[in-house]
Amino acid sequence: QKEVEQNSGPLSVPEGAIASLNCTYSDRGSQSFFWYRQYSGKSPELIMFIYSNGDKEDGRFTAQLNKASQYVSLLIRDSQPSDSATYLCAVNRGGTYKYIFGTGTRLKVLA
Amino acid sequence: KAGVTQTPRYLIKTRGQQVTLSCSPISGHRSVSWYQQTPGQGLQFLFEYFSETQRNKGNFPGRFSGRQFSNSRSEMNVSTLELGDSALYLCASSLDGRQGATGELFFGEGSRLTVL
Repeated sequence: QKEVEQNSGPLSVPEGAIASLNCTYSDRGSQSFFWYRQYSGKSPELIMFIYSNGDKEDGRFTAQLNKASQYVSLLIRDSQPSDSATYLCAVNRGGTYKYIFGTGTRLKVLA
Repeated sequence: KAGVTQTPRYLIKTRGQQVTLSCSPISGHRSVSWYQQTPGQGLQFLFEYFSETQRNKGNFPGRFSGRQFSNSRSEMNVSTLELGDSALYLCASSLDGRQGATGELFFGEGSRLTVL
């Protein structure tokens, strides 16, 4: 079992729809959770981070964390073609700078 | 404010050679991490340095090593290159958590290594 698992996709959604990206993790000691976006040929850039159970909203993006079920998700509302990228989930135990990344979900937003 | 700078951006080596990659972090960032990215394995943690000390290490063989200088610049070295070392090597810098940072990693554009 991988430490951080994501469906590789591609996940295809029509423009304007909600894209839902999921991530599960195995280490119950994980404390910090991050979503990075990586465009093809580019380096990852942070979209959101979440530390506490529940939802955290930032513009069109909402991160959801459920520590009991060990999953974290990212919702993208009103998806745009410019959102087409690979989304990487990363977790951290806290107190270290060792981040475990999932292999990413490729999102395609169809115009 | 300048971002994370990695050099060289592309390089081709042959099996058995060694390679040194360089990373200059964002000014003021003292934590520098290195990751290997391949299509099959994704981003895998190599090591992290802070104030010239290696604080964390991933599960890579001893052929992979790194160091950090007093100005926070970092280098990583891979000796006795193997075909499987072909990958994008990403450096990331971060503010130290004690400064109230969120833990965000700021990535450089990467060094793409091809081993023939």
